[in-house]
Amino acid sequence: QVQLVEFGGGVVQPGTSLRLSCAASGFTFRNYAMHWVRQAPGKGLEWVAGIGYDGRNKYYADTVKGRFTISRDNSNSTLLLQMDSLRAEDTAVYYCARDVSGTAWDYWGQGTLATVSS
Amino acid sequence: EIVLTQSPATLSLSPGERATLSCRASQSVSHYLAWYQQKPGQAPRLVIYDTSNRATGISARFSGSGSVTDFTLTISSLEPEDFAIYYCQQRSNWPLTFGGGTKVEIK
Repeated sequence: QVQLVEFGGGVVQPGTSLRLSCAASGFTFRNYAMHWVRQAPGKGLEWVAGIGYDGRNKYYADTVKGRFTISRDNSNSTLLLQMDSLRAEDTAVYYCARDVSGTAWDYWGQGTLATVSS
Repeated sequence: EIVLTQSPATLSLSPGERATLSCRASQSVSHYLAWYQQKPGQAPRLVIYDTSNRATGISARFSGSGSVTDFTLTISSLEPEDFAIYYCQQRSNWPLTFGGGTKVEIK
């Protein structure tokens, strides 16, 4: 069955970095675009970044552009999110999600919490 | 950026009642609108994609309609497991955006 499992969350200070991973299994990872979506505590959903199936095309929300980098390792079925220059407002649960041919996101991970606090 | 406005913010209904949730876009999204359900402590779950297509495993009591800027998610007869927060999301333009959510709560 399709599984997405996020890793890498934790507590970090403002201005530092964190790298999130999403391990995919149960499907042919290299055939699917993928996304990161976050949810601040008690708030709604916010799309963060997306990447095409082959890693060539990358898209970012304005709030993270220039600070976050999405990438993928198709040989290891892993989605990555490098988060630099972190701010308190980046504190959120980060979900990875599978893109179904550009229509919607049909599978989601359970999320990993990143907390940015001094 | 396309802004999605959901209404009402909270819908208080009893099991068996009909729920009608609205999502309005600040500009045309054509039919590229999806709905997600989220329960406390859980990841979102896809309910409807491209305005009116039910996702795999979603009950027929869920239906979606609309076009251009105005969209509706209807739950024909609420079951206990349907009480949750529902988000609309557009994929017409980058950046992809979500609405603020409608909480469907038990009256």
